[in-house]
Amino acid sequence: DQQVKQNSPSLSVQEGRISILNCDYTNSMFDYFLWYKKYPAEGPTFLISISSIKDKNEDGRFTVFLNKSAKHLSLHIVPSQPGDSAVYFCAATKYFQGAQKLVFGQGTRLTINP
Amino acid sequence: NAGVTQTPKFQVLKTGQSMTLQCAQDMNHNSMYWYRQDPGMGLRLIYYSASEGTTDKGEVPNGYNVSRLNKREFSLRLESAAPSQTSVYFCASRSAGTGVTNEQFFGPGTRLTVL
Repeated sequence: DQQVKQNSPSLSVQEGRISILNCDYTNSMFDYFLWYKKYPAEGPTFLISISSIKDKNEDGRFTVFLNKSAKHLSLHIVPSQPGDSAVYFCAATKYFQGAQKLVFGQGTRLTINP
Repeated sequence: NAGVTQTPKFQVLKTGQSMTLQCAQDMNHNSMYWYRQDPGMGLRLIYYSASEGTTDKGEVPNGYNVSRLNKREFSLRLESAAPSQTSVYFCASRSAGTGVTNEQFFGPGTRLTVL
């Protein structure tokens, strides 16, 4: 059962425009949500996160929005740059016996076109 | 400061062979994790270690064993490899605490092919 879903496998955006990546979840017990970015042949790197008690978090060009009633979050990148081309994973956290357990979505491949 | 390192980077095995994937971190983190990434599946947790001396199963533990050798090292062993274990394996680590800013740091991955 996929608890975190990213329904768009790929997204293509023109440089300078806004990129919007979406993520849906089913478990209302998740307490934090994170976005990771992954380049080919590298491990994922943390990008931005949001607590379940907030509805927006902003860090430079990156903003994450959380809609708890819809169990939906989105990542906005403005303006999009060629270096943003990567696979983006949405993840949700649960804490169990002292460890943070991440549940990942399938990923969305973002391509920024010059 | 190397962060999280994994060896080997690539490996090809025949069905039934065994091997151990190595992971080490130099950030003095308490928790360590093993994930596998398959096309269209995202990353799935295989095993984790909340602290030195403890290990627990994740979402997909069948066919794997782990050892938390010390605080720095966390290895993943395939006793009898199967083609279904062809995947990219990532190790991650995280410091203690429940703050979300204590994100998991990932290694570069091991690409494993089982023929």
